[in-house]
Amino acid sequence: NAGVTQTPKFQVLKTGQSMTLQCAQDMNHEYMSWYRQDPGMGLRLIHYSVGAGITDQGEVPNGYNVSRSTTEDFPLRLLSAAPSQTSVYFCASSYSAGTGADTQYFGPGTRLTVL
Amino acid sequence: DAKTTQPNSMESNEEEPVHLPCNHSTISGTDYIHWYRQLPSQGPEYVIHGLTSNVNNRMASLAIAEDRKSSTLILHRATLRDAAVYYCILTGIQGAQKLVFGQGTRLTINP
Repeated sequence: NAGVTQTPKFQVLKTGQSMTLQCAQDMNHEYMSWYRQDPGMGLRLIHYSVGAGITDQGEVPNGYNVSRSTTEDFPLRLLSAAPSQTSVYFCASSYSAGTGADTQYFGPGTRLTVL
Repeated sequence: DAKTTQPNSMESNEEEPVHLPCNHSTISGTDYIHWYRQLPSQGPEYVIHGLTSNVNNRMASLAIAEDRKSSTLILHRATLRDAAVYYCILTGIQGAQKLVFGQGTRLTINP
């Protein structure tokens, strides 16, 4: 298994540009989520999905869109990039047993800079 | 969500045991205690989790206080590769997919 993969690894955008960060997992996990990590900080949840066709907002959803058309893929869209979105973005997935015991698998991250 | 409190940083020597503490005085009866770690320039990785009893796996041990208001992650014999930020996170029944990360403990291992 490749686990959770993210592309690209690095990206530089200009203010106002749009782009999509890709995330895929091959573990048949129902749950997928996106986090951002600013320098020196812990991760913060942006959006998450409990299955294909179902998404919900996390702690910091503004400026980001998501959709989940397949179990494997969960892309994150920046519609109009702003310097405040400069961060490292991590995708994660987990199998749900319906308890708090579920563990998450994280991707390697995408480092995004918005000029 | 219940909060956790960890020291900002800790330092230890290679091949010695390391005890990383976590306080969670407002933990509820159904909250699991999870530990993740983040190596430099990598995504977080799962270390261990428990509910009430102490737990062991190939990476570490988790000691949970009897009242569950605190826990300790134990690395039995630290290596340089264990240098990372360690996060103690509580997850409820619906919360395992929505992890709330604090600042964590930055562990430095001296050769």
